[in-house]
Amino acid sequence: AQSVTQPDIHITVSEGASLELRCNYSYGATPYLFWYVQSPGQGLQLLLKYFSGDTLVQGIKGFEAEFKRSQSSFNLRKPSVHWSDAAEYFCAVGAFSGYSTLTFGKGTMLLVSP
Amino acid sequence: EAGVVQSPRYKIIEKKQPVAFWCNPISGHNTLYWYRQNLGQGPELLIRYENEEAVDDSQLPKDRFSAERLKGVDSTLKIQPAELGDSAVYLCASSLDVAGRTNTGELFFGEGSRLTVL
Repeated sequence: AQSVTQPDIHITVSEGASLELRCNYSYGATPYLFWYVQSPGQGLQLLLKYFSGDTLVQGIKGFEAEFKRSQSSFNLRKPSVHWSDAAEYFCAVGAFSGYSTLTFGKGTMLLVSP
Repeated sequence: EAGVVQSPRYKIIEKKQPVAFWCNPISGHNTLYWYRQNLGQGPELLIRYENEEAVDDSQLPKDRFSAERLKGVDSTLKIQPAELGDSAVYLCASSLDVAGRTNTGELFFGEGSRLTVL
């Protein structure tokens, strides 16, 4: 069965500093990987996804993520955090046996300090 | 383009009462999902529809939960009777992805329905 581990429950970053959110996955084949963001009281929004090809993927809002098969990781990064980035971030792995079934991690809450 | 619409946004009920949630997916999205998100957790799939057919309901607690998607568009999720442990946010999502095609993997989520059972 597929699973996702986000080891950090919450992270505090100063505005303007760089950010890295960790994600490790377990999946028997080539995974399809996603990062979603959830602002308070809102639904989830897709930031970026990895299906195949270039292991460094770019997303919206200046985010990027790198797929490392040897480490079973898909860490999310941003070079300079803005206060509006404060939200909860979910990593997800997809099993595409002909359809989309996403398994989500427990999320990492990002707090941005002035 | 309108997004996924859910109602009600908030619902407070006493245990053993029934409750229903409604979802209107993005127009043209054949696949619809209901997820449950407990406090401090990621979303967990309850049921997935392709058009009118429930193609994955293995995680739906069928003794008290039911869902339907009549005409392959709107969907309702019902809990009867509700228990204290059902307090959570119920998320609806839709997707263009269907079996047998090259999929995007992207789900579009509604804002959720927050249920509190007292």
